[in-house]
Formats: sequence, C-alpha cells, structure tokens
Amino acid sequence: GIQVEQSPPDLILQEGANSTLRCNFSDSVNNLQWFHQNPWGQLINLFYIPSGTKQNGRLSATTVATERYSLLYISSSQTTDSGVYFCAVGDNDYKLSFGAGTTVTVRA
Amino acid sequence: DAGVIQSPRHEVTEMGQEVTLRCKPISGHDYLFWYRQTMMRGLELLIYFNNNVPIDDSGMPEDRFSAKMPNASFSTLKIQPSEPRDSAVYFCASSFVSGGKAFFGQGTRLTVV
Repeated sequence: GIQVEQSPPDLILQEGANSTLRCNFSDSVNNLQWFHQNPWGQLINLFYIPSGTKQNGRLSATTVATERYSLLYISSSQTTDSGVYFCAVGDNDYKLSFGAGTTVTVRA
Repeated sequence: DAGVIQSPRHEVTEMGQEVTLRCKPISGHDYLFWYRQTMMRGLELLIYFNNNVPIDDSGMPEDRFSAKMPNASFSTLKIQPSEPRDSAVYFCASSFVSGGKAFFGQGTRLTVV
C-alpha cells in the first residue's frame, strides 16, 4: 500500500503563531484528506484535496500530486487547534491509508 | 443531519465475551467503513461496504471479527470471542461516493479485560 509520512511528529505553538504541517506519500493518489482529531477523540474532516489549494477560515491546504506531498497551514493558531492532524490518502478510491499524525499543542 | 452515529461510546467487557458495535451512517451515503485506532498501529481500515454489500474485508484481523450491514442505515461490527488485544477505539465512517469526503462517528472505545 501507499506509505504516508507526516512531519513534524510533534509541534508546540504559542497562540497566534502560524505553522505548516507536511504529508509525503509514496505513490500517485486520487484521494487525499486532512483530518483533525480533537482531544476528545473525534475525527473531523478538514479538507478533501487530491490536488490544488483550498481554504477554510484560518486553515488552508495545498496538494502537489505530481510531487507527492500535501501541506496544511494553520494561521493565527488558537488553543482549540490542539490535537492530532492526520493526512489520509487513497490510490483506488475507497481505501484511505492514514499517516501517523502530527500532534499539535497550542499554548495560551 | 446528525452525522455518523455510533454506539456505545464506551464498552468494557471480559475476555471471551461477545461484543457488538453499532453504526448509523449519514443518510444517503452509499459507503460505510469500519476503522480501528490503536497506539501501535494507528488508524487501520477493517472493512467497507458499498450499498450494504461488503466489498473488502481484507483488513479484518481474524475470524473472530465479523461485520454486517442489513440495511442502508445500520451496520454492526461483532467480535466473538473478544480478547484483550482487541482493546482499541473503533470508528465508523461514511461517504457519499467512492473516494469522497469521509465523515467519522465519535468512535467506540473498547476495553477487554
């Protein structure tokens, strides 16, 4: 299956800071999604972004499929942004392979 | 829509007992997925259904695990007999189309003692 690598594994931010999370994948994909798992364990779908750039409030994401990576940008971070961010990719539509995640801690 | 609904939220059971986890997908979604999350293995796809039909169960760890989807609004994941190594958070997810945006339930935290 497709290998997914996320970096950094851990990130500590001061409230108001900006950050970039990276997702590298080992093969061509036609499905890429970013999720946020909050401290209560709930998985929230942030973006469906197999290619291109999307923005949702303070979050934005860019996927460069030809170079096999995706970036998630968090601007003006807030304590509610804390949690684990997962990148998940699929090469045959339905099977999502998840990365190990980036644990983000935003301090007030 | 209320989103994907899973029950129970927490389950503690003794080794050897049967455990049944339940999921109601988002109405109109044709695809339903069961995932398991552990510290060691992260998030793994166990099985998925399309229009109530199991399509790929290659992720189901052992014959002790079985899943059904008797209708478009209900699915179960059963473990019989349960073992301590089955302790994990089990998620159900659904999507409208194959490869589409996946929406996850709140998960069932299973502890087998």
